Amino acid sequence: AQSVTQLGSHVSVSEGALVLLRCNYSSSVPPYLFWYVQYPNQGLQLLLKYTSAATLVKGINGFEAEFKKSETSFHLTKPSAHMSDAAEYFCAVSVNTGGFKTIFGAGTRLFVKA
Amino acid sequence: DTGVSQDPRHKITKRGQNVTFRCDPISEHNRLYWYRQTLGQGPEFLTYFQNEAQLEKSRLLSDRFSAERPKGSFSTLEIQRTEQGDSAMYLCASSPTWTEAGNTEAFFGQGTRLTVV
Repeated sequence: AQSVTQLGSHVSVSEGALVLLRCNYSSSVPPYLFWYVQYPNQGLQLLLKYTSAATLVKGINGFEAEFKKSETSFHLTKPSAHMSDAAEYFCAVSVNTGGFKTIFGAGTRLFVKA
Repeated sequence: DTGVSQDPRHKITKRGQNVTFRCDPISEHNRLYWYRQTLGQGPEFLTYFQNEAQLEKSRLLSDRFSAERPKGSFSTLEIQRTEQGDSAMYLCASSPTWTEAGNTEAFFGQGTRLTVV
């Protein structure tokens, strides 16, 4: 079975500071990994995805994530936070085993201070 | 806009009433998923369709919940005899058939927020 653990339910950074949101996964088969962002009362928007190609994945809005198999991690980073980055971020995992569903972490709420 | 569409966006109902939500996926997507998201949590998988066939159901989907996708296009999620614990955001997503080309992500609608009073 697959699972995702997001470390830290809340992260607060100053505008212009580095953003680091942590995600660890568990999967018995090679996983596909995703980061989604959710703004209040909205659905989820894909930020980036790892699909077994390059381990460093670049996404929208300046975000990137690095797949580290040895650490079973897929942390999300952004060099410089903007006020507009304040939102809920979800790490997710899925595998292609005939059936298909995406398993989400509990989420990390990012606060950006002026 | 040809994204995933959900209707209604908000629903307030009295405990014990039945409610039905609709999801229109992206037209060329043959996979459709329903998730439930409660406050402060990530989305939890409920069920998934490949065309009109319901291929997997979570144990979260009690007997009061039923989902259909009769013609392999839009889907409905019905909750019978609603309970206060059913209050949540219900998210629908769709995706094309899995390919190695990387079409692996699900595209989400904006959700239906259900409040049971």
